[in-house]
Amino acid sequence: EAQVTQNPRYLITVTGKKLTVTCSQNMNHEYMSWYRQDPGLGLRQIYYSMNVEVTDKGDVPEGYKVSRKEKRNFPLILESPSPNQTSLYFCASSSGLGTSGGEQFFGPGTRLTVL
Amino acid sequence: GQNIDQPTEMTATEGAIVQINCTYQTSGFNGLFWYQQHAGEAPTFLSYNVLDGLEEKGRFSSFLSRSKGYSYLLLKELQMKDSASYLCAVKSMDSWGKLQFGAGTQVVVTP
Repeated sequence: EAQVTQNPRYLITVTGKKLTVTCSQNMNHEYMSWYRQDPGLGLRQIYYSMNVEVTDKGDVPEGYKVSRKEKRNFPLILESPSPNQTSLYFCASSSGLGTSGGEQFFGPGTRLTVL
Repeated sequence: GQNIDQPTEMTATEGAIVQINCTYQTSGFNGLFWYQQHAGEAPTFLSYNVLDGLEEKGRFSSFLSRSKGYSYLLLKELQMKDSASYLCAVKSMDSWGKLQFGAGTQVVVTP
């Protein structure tokens, strides 16, 4: 089944404790992206990757890191999480081809709480 | 940069039609998406417009006017399952990879 998976789905952690949220897709997509979703603010792009070893900042990259060593994986790293990073996080991937303009397929989301 | 506006909430009756407007300001427009998001779930793709005009897909249609910086999503023959948030997103010419979303419009369908 074609899908984007994220782990963990739920995480409660404390300020300053490094964490990684994994994202993996099995559709051979070149493009991957991370978003956070907060009430009233909608989805905001954190980082995106056009291909392996190519990453770029979205609108809210502060406090986050990413890497793209393999095509299928795009982990999101919070080196020193803070309470303002409490949010719902979505990973997405896209082939960027065809008439759909690069339709993105989203993972199920990771709900992160930083105490 | 881009500024994307859409209404916060709309209510409509089952079987009716609802039109969700989205206005945007962008330094370089390269396409507009509509996504549907049910509560507690991930967004799913509905439509994509890059040229002016209407794209129809079953009960859902999307319209774009690039000169006016305006799009709408039309939902016909509303069903209870259409109760969801509808997200407008704009792709930038500056960077194909960058995508900006509006805050979403919560559509409530009543019996």
